[in-house]
Parts: sequence; structure tokens; C-alpha cells
Amino acid sequence: QVQLVESGGGIVQPGTSLRLSCAASGFPFGDYGMHWVRQAPGRGLEWVAGIWDDGSKKNYGDAVKGRFSISRDNAVNTLYLEVDSLRAEDTAVYFCARKGGVGTLDNWLHPWGRGTPVTVSP
Amino acid sequence: EIVMTQSPATLSVSPGERATLSCRASQSVGRSIAWYQQKRGQAPRLLIYGAFTRATGTPDRFSGSGSGTEFTLTISSLQSEDIAVYYCQQYDNWYTFGQGTKLEI
Repeated sequence: QVQLVESGGGIVQPGTSLRLSCAASGFPFGDYGMHWVRQAPGRGLEWVAGIWDDGSKKNYGDAVKGRFSISRDNAVNTLYLEVDSLRAEDTAVYFCARKGGVGTLDNWLHPWGRGTPVTVSP
Repeated sequence: EIVMTQSPATLSVSPGERATLSCRASQSVGRSIAWYQQKRGQAPRLLIYGAFTRATGTPDRFSGSGSGTEFTLTISSLQSEDIAVYYCQQYDNWYTFGQGTKLEI
């Protein structure tokens, strides 16, 4: 079945960096756009970044532009998020999610991984 | 950025009753809206996409309606397992989420 498994989260100090990974299985990874969404403790969902199926186009939420970088390696079915210059407000669970379908308009998010927690604390 | 506003923030409904959740977009998104259910400690789960199409596995007591800027998620007969936070999301212009509606008994 389709599965997304995030890893790489942890407790880090402000100003440091992390690389989050999302291992995909059960579907043709290279055919689907992929996204990162985060959720701060007790808060709602915030879209972070997205990347097209072939990696040719990327976009970012305003809160992370210039600090986060999304990438993918279709040879190993893995999505990445490089998070730099971390701030306390980046503390959140980071979910990866797949674009719902391969069609141009199939842009809902399904399925989602279980998330990896990132805590930024001195 | 398209702003999504959900109401109410919290909704209390008795088992077996109807629950109606609203979502408004700051500009037209056509029918490019999805609804997600998030239970405590879990990842969000897709319920509805394209404003009214149920995702695989979504019970038929869940229905979506609306287009343009006004959308509704209706649960026709609330079950105890429906207790969760519900989010709307527009995907007409990248992505934004509403702030969520907490559904409680």
C-alpha cells in the first residue's frame, strides 16, 4: 500500500540546520508532486513547500522562503526538506504528503505521513 | 495569498445529529477545495476533494458542497468516531488551510 515515512526530526538549537526525509513506497514516486506541511503544537496546519514530480518547479510558504529548501531523489523514492537558520517558531511536526493524483488539477493532498517532530530550543 | 476562514471554531453536536461546518475563501477558488479530518495525535486524513467528491473510505454521512468562495462540510448523523478537528484547504493557487473547526460531543 501507499506509505510515506518521515525522519530526521529532533531537538536543535536556534540558528542550526536539519535535513528531513520522507521515504515513499507503494506508488510510482516520480509521477507525483510532493509537499511538506507543518503543525506547531496546539495549532493548525501550515503548508511549507511543494515540488513537482520531476523536481523542475518548487514553491514555498512565505514563512520559510529563503531558509528552507525542498528537493527529491526519484531514484531512491525520497523527498527532502533542508531547514536552515531554525527559529523557535519553526517548532512543529513536519508531515510529508503526496499530491492526490497525477492529473494537472489533482492537487489535493493524499496520503500523509505520520510526521517527524522538530523542536527548536536553546 | 488566499485566506481560508472556517466557522465555527468549535462545534458541539449530540450523537445522531447533523453537523454543519463552514469555510470561506477570500477569493474564488472554483471547486478546488479539500476537507481533512485530524484526530488527536494522528496525521490529517483526506475526506473530500473537488468540493464534493468523497475520498476512498470516507463514509457517506460526510458530504461537501459549495463553489467559488463558500463551502460546507456536512455530517448527516454524528458518530462518536467523528470527534476531530476538521480543516478546509484551497488548492487553486498553491495551498492554504483554514484554522480548523473542532467538533465535540
